[in-house]
Amino acid sequence: AQSVAQPEDQVNVAEGNPLTVKCTYSVSGNPYLFWYVQYPNRGLQFLLKYITGDNLVKGSYGFEAEFNKSQTSFHLKKPSALVSDSALYFCAVRAPADSNYQLIWGAGTKLIIKP
Amino acid sequence: GAGVSQSPSNKVTEKGKDVELRCDPISGHTALYWYRQSLGQGLEFLIYFQGNSAPDKSGLPSDRFSAERTGGSVSTLTIQRTQQEDSAVYLCASSLAISGGVSSYEQYFGPGTRLTVT
Repeated sequence: AQSVAQPEDQVNVAEGNPLTVKCTYSVSGNPYLFWYVQYPNRGLQFLLKYITGDNLVKGSYGFEAEFNKSQTSFHLKKPSALVSDSALYFCAVRAPADSNYQLIWGAGTKLIIKP
Repeated sequence: GAGVSQSPSNKVTEKGKDVELRCDPISGHTALYWYRQSLGQGLEFLIYFQGNSAPDKSGLPSDRFSAERTGGSVSTLTIQRTQQEDSAVYLCASSLAISGGVSSYEQYFGPGTRLTVT
């Protein structure tokens, strides 16, 4: 069965420190991978995606993520966290052979950046 | 261009009443999704429309829930005889779905409708 796991319900990071939000997946074939962010009382916003090519993808707000096929992971990273990065982060994956274009969503990770 | 819009932004209703939630997708997006999100939780898939194909209703939690998409654009999610457990934020998303080749598969979300059933 296809699935996405975000193993941490919450991640706490001090402002200025690097942050990592973890995501692992299980799909058939080469996956399409996405990160979304949800700020308090706001809808979800697209951050970045991996479709093909360079394993390191850069997205909005200084975030980046690295596709690791051998570890089936797509961890979200930022070199220096800001308090304003505090939000709920969702990883999602789509199997390219899936004809209905649906995304499989992780449960979300709450990121808290402390000043 | 305009993003995905949803209305109303907030809806308070009494238990047992019917409600209709509206979604206007991004122009040209053929795929439309409805999700439900309880406070601080993940996304629960409800229903998916793709072009003129029959919708994927596999996520609808009960027969009180239904949705339609008129003219391949605007969609309405209807909840009949609302219950308190229906209280949540209902999110709509659209995407540009093209078969074959590389295209933009990311979903673009509306701001959501916060439904409160009293």
